[in-house]
Amino acid sequence: GENVEQHPSTLSVQEGDSAVIKCTYSDSASNYFPWYKQELGKGPQLIIDIRSNVGEKKDQRIAVTLNKTAKHFSLHITETQPEDSAVYFCAARWRGNTPLVFGKGTRLSVIA
Amino acid sequence: GAVVSQHPSRVICKSGTSVKIECRSLDFQATTMFWYRQFPKQSLMLMATSNEGSKATYEQGVEKDKFLINHASLTLSTLTVTSAHPEDSSFYICSVPPAGLNNYGYTFGSGTRLTVV
Repeated sequence: GENVEQHPSTLSVQEGDSAVIKCTYSDSASNYFPWYKQELGKGPQLIIDIRSNVGEKKDQRIAVTLNKTAKHFSLHITETQPEDSAVYFCAARWRGNTPLVFGKGTRLSVIA
Repeated sequence: GAVVSQHPSRVICKSGTSVKIECRSLDFQATTMFWYRQFPKQSLMLMATSNEGSKATYEQGVEKDKFLINHASLTLSTLTVTSAHPEDSSFYICSVPPAGLNNYGYTFGSGTRLTVV
């Protein structure tokens, strides 16, 4: 089955700086890679996703890149703000409507 | 993606009792739903796949007799934690997959914080 590795586990940045979180996946058949933000006591919220036929996607301050050859994808947050502080999870879908497999999460702290 | 409602948001129960958690797909007929468990400061781990009208599929290491899943309709799946113990205290989250093989949006419930005392 699919396995997703996520790094770093914690990340602290100064407000206004950029943050990058990286994930690798094991199964080359995986075709969908979402990123979720989870705040304390809440369910995960989708912030951006990318499909396997696309190399990069951007939505305002958030971007995701995908390297299918290397089987890794990254989340980029620019101009970070204190409200970006949360736990971020990457995930991968193997095929069809199989359940998402999650990375272990990254706790991002944006210091004002 | 679908609109998913999960209840209750938090529950405290005594050891040995059972607790039922509901996951409703409000605008989408879901033949499949997923149940995840998340321990503090850990990731979401898939417990089981709930299938409408048939038995759930459990992940390795998840006791099917302890975590009863019922998916009796296309809009409701329930997870019942039977004979709960303190080690069952966790955050339980349901998820509805996208419709069709070419859709991609998974929707998650808001989660249920279970505390067993």
